[in-house]
Amino acid sequence: DQQVKQNSPSLSVQEGRISILNCDYTNSMFDYFLWYKKYPAEGPTFLISISSIKDKNEDGRFTVFLNKSAKHLSLHIVPSQPGDSAVYFCAASANLDEKLTFGTGTRLTIIP
Amino acid sequence: DVKVTQSSRYLVKRTGEKVFLECVQDMDHENMFWYRQDPGLGLRLIYFSYDVKMKEKGDIPEGYSVSREKKERFSLILESASTNQTSMYLCASRAWDRDNSPLHFGNGTRLTVT
Repeated sequence: DQQVKQNSPSLSVQEGRISILNCDYTNSMFDYFLWYKKYPAEGPTFLISISSIKDKNEDGRFTVFLNKSAKHLSLHIVPSQPGDSAVYFCAASANLDEKLTFGTGTRLTIIP
Repeated sequence: DVKVTQSSRYLVKRTGEKVFLECVQDMDHENMFWYRQDPGLGLRLIYFSYDVKMKEKGDIPEGYSVSREKKERFSLILESASTNQTSMYLCASRAWDRDNSPLHFGNGTRLTVT
């Protein structure tokens, strides 16, 4: 039972344009959401997070949007850069639970 | 900077062997985790620990065990390796706090079981 879903396995975007990565979840107890970025042969690195009390969080070129009623979050990257090419995972946790539940990942390719 | 070190980048083992994957973190974090990453399945939690000698099952613990004798070290053990345990294994740690500090991952161990 996949509680966190990323329905697009891959996405290609032109350099300089906006990249939008989507994530859906089914567990209504999730109240904290994170995005991680992973390069080949490296571990995932934390990118940005959002608490369920907010609907938007920005950090430089990265913005995460949360729609609690739709159980949907998205990561916007603008402008996209070649170094953004990586696999992106969304993750969620419930009530300060110690463990994170991850999605299946989206491979983002930025085309120069 | 937090450093999570996994002892091996690549391992090749035979079916039936007992396999140890080691992980060390240098930031005095309470919580440590073992995930495996497989194509199309994302990261799945195998086991985690929130203190020395404490362990909790994750979502896919079957065929695995763990050991945490010291705070900085968390070992994953495959009691009798099987080919379906061929995967990328990722160790992570985080501090316990109320602000949801993020996980810090090691670079992974790619295990092949033949």
